[in-house]
Amino acid sequence: QVQLVQSGAEVKKPGASVKISCKASGYSFSHYYLHWVRQAPGQGLEWVGVVNPIGPATTYAQKFQGRVTMTSDTSRSTVYMELTSLRSEDTAIYYCARAWRDCSGGKCYQYHFDSWGQGTLVTVSS
Amino acid sequence: SYELTQPPSVSVSPGQTARITCSGDDLPKQYAYWYQQKPGQAPIVVISKDSERPSGIPERFSGSSSGTTVTLTISGVQAEDEADYYCQSADSSGISWVFGGGTKLTVL
Repeated sequence: QVQLVQSGAEVKKPGASVKISCKASGYSFSHYYLHWVRQAPGQGLEWVGVVNPIGPATTYAQKFQGRVTMTSDTSRSTVYMELTSLRSEDTAIYYCARAWRDCSGGKCYQYHFDSWGQGTLVTVSS
Repeated sequence: SYELTQPPSVSVSPGQTARITCSGDDLPKQYAYWYQQKPGQAPIVVISKDSERPSGIPERFSGSSSGTTVTLTISGVQAEDEADYYCQSADSSGISWVFGGGTKLTVL
């Protein structure tokens, strides 16, 4: 079955960087784009960006451009998200999520998130 | 940046019908999706492509679209439906994805 397993919780100081991982299994890694979504304590879901698992295409939410980098390692079926210049407002659970993808007539489209990682809590505190 | 607007909360009694709306200028051009999230859990999709119900989702969940508004309808609400619900879509280019602010459904 599809599984997305994320790295463990992180505690960072303001201004530092964090890099978290998401290892995929149970499906063809190259076929589905992986997204990152975060959720601050008691708040809603926020889309951070998406990475093409076979690279190099990435798209980031405007809010995070310049601070976030998403990469993929096909040999490990793993994607990574690095967020720099951390501030207290970045304290959140970060989820990786697979977007269902369907191809027909030579074109492929992404649809809903059909699998989620367990989430990685990133705490930014001095 | 593109935004989706949901009511913060909706309350219904068991057995009644709950309707949660989501508004956004680009909804006529892009599909909308609905997710249910219970405390301490990752979200799960309950409606895909405006109105499709994924396998395993109860028939009481349905979705509809009209202009710049999409609606999640839960008919015959049960206590187990109490959760946060989020709509999700993309801007007109399809490149930038976005979530609504979320609606807390309370079953009285």
